[in-house]
Amino acid sequence: SQTIHQWPATLVQPVGSPLSLECTVEGTSNPNLYWYRQAAGRGLQLLFYSVGIGQISSEVPQNLSASRPQDRQFILSSKKLLLSDSGFYLCAWSVEGSYQPQHFGDGTRLSIL
Amino acid sequence: QKEVEQNSGPLSVPEGAIASLNCTYSDRVSQSFFWYRQYSGKSPELIMSIYSNGDKEDGRFTAQLNKASQYVSLLIRDSQPSDSATYLCAVISYSGAGSYQLTFGKGTKLSVIP
Repeated sequence: SQTIHQWPATLVQPVGSPLSLECTVEGTSNPNLYWYRQAAGRGLQLLFYSVGIGQISSEVPQNLSASRPQDRQFILSSKKLLLSDSGFYLCAWSVEGSYQPQHFGDGTRLSIL
Repeated sequence: QKEVEQNSGPLSVPEGAIASLNCTYSDRVSQSFFWYRQYSGKSPELIMSIYSNGDKEDGRFTAQLNKASQYVSLLIRDSQPSDSATYLCAVISYSGAGSYQLTFGKGTKLSVIP
């Protein structure tokens, strides 16, 4: 069966520091991968999605970036965090090119001080 | 712009009652419809998928789809306090060039009162 791992679970970072969140999927090949952010009391905001290695689409312009160095690895990064980057970051995967649903990791709660 | 609308709630129902959660979507050619449950502080969990008009039952949950009305609903029978969560409606539409777009509603917060 497929599983998705996301770490760390919580992170506290100072403003201006860098960020790296990692997500890996097991049990499937060539998944679509997604990064979402959910601010407190708000809906899910799609940040990036990837349909293959090195293929990244950005949905929202910001100081975040994403990379997919391997088929089942998706990384969210920032060179300098802003206060507004605080939130709950979720990685998700879905079957390649289909009408199938997305499945979420446990999320990373990021607090910027 | 594809949109998925839900009443934000909170929807309060007594324990044992039927909770009815509703969702409308804007893209007439949407093909797949999902309900996710999100407990406070946790990630969304897929609980129901429905792809064709009508009802689909899974335990205490029934999803209903009416594509003509662009409406999808989730019924929870015999509601339990453990059902208290935010329920997200999600819709997939084909967005061209082999890609599919999943649009989430903002969710309805359900509170089941013991």
